[in-house]
Amino acid sequence: DVKVTQSSRYLVKRTGEKVFLECVQDMDHENMFWYRQDPGLGLRLIYFSYDVKMKEKGDIPEGYSVSREKKERFSLILESASTNQTSMYLCASSSQYIPSEAFFGQGTRLTVV
Amino acid sequence: GQNIDQPTEMTATEGAIVQINCTYQTSGFNGLFWYQQHAGEAPTFLSYNVLDGLEEKGRFSSFLSRSKGYSYLLLKELQMKDSASYLCAVRIRNAGNMLTFGGGTRLMVKP
Repeated sequence: DVKVTQSSRYLVKRTGEKVFLECVQDMDHENMFWYRQDPGLGLRLIYFSYDVKMKEKGDIPEGYSVSREKKERFSLILESASTNQTSMYLCASSSQYIPSEAFFGQGTRLTVV
Repeated sequence: GQNIDQPTEMTATEGAIVQINCTYQTSGFNGLFWYQQHAGEAPTFLSYNVLDGLEEKGRFSSFLSRSKGYSYLLLKELQMKDSASYLCAVRIRNAGNMLTFGGGTRLMVKP
């Protein structure tokens, strides 16, 4: 059974903290994605990675960075958390070569206070 | 840039048929996906179109016209459990086949 696992379901952090959101997939997928989801705005792509150490900016990369040191793990980093980064964060992975769907993790609801 | 449009909300009656439209303007189109997302849950895959035409999967069908930049998701014999958000997503042919989403359509099914 395919699996994308996000390290936390809920997180509460303080303004200015450095925050790490971790995502692991067990399907040997090349592509991994980080989205944030806000009411009325749908899923917005923050960053994606198509290979180890490779990354591309999505639509809203400001205030975020990513790390992909191993194929199965894709980390989203909030360098200095702000209240406008309170959101649901979703990680996904997909094969780059097989035209299959992306699989999603269960999401991390981050609240910055 | 990429632009994907869907209606924000729709309401339909149990047992009826509903069509959710999606229009897109992208460069490097490489397939269109429909996902279902219940409140508080992760999106789950419904359908995939890369060539023009209709793909049928039980009560759900999806149609694509690449020349018009248009797709729709058709849900038949609506059930209360179909109340959810439906997300249209386009895969873009670039370094890694990026997947970008529309804003989603919230469907409410009423008795």
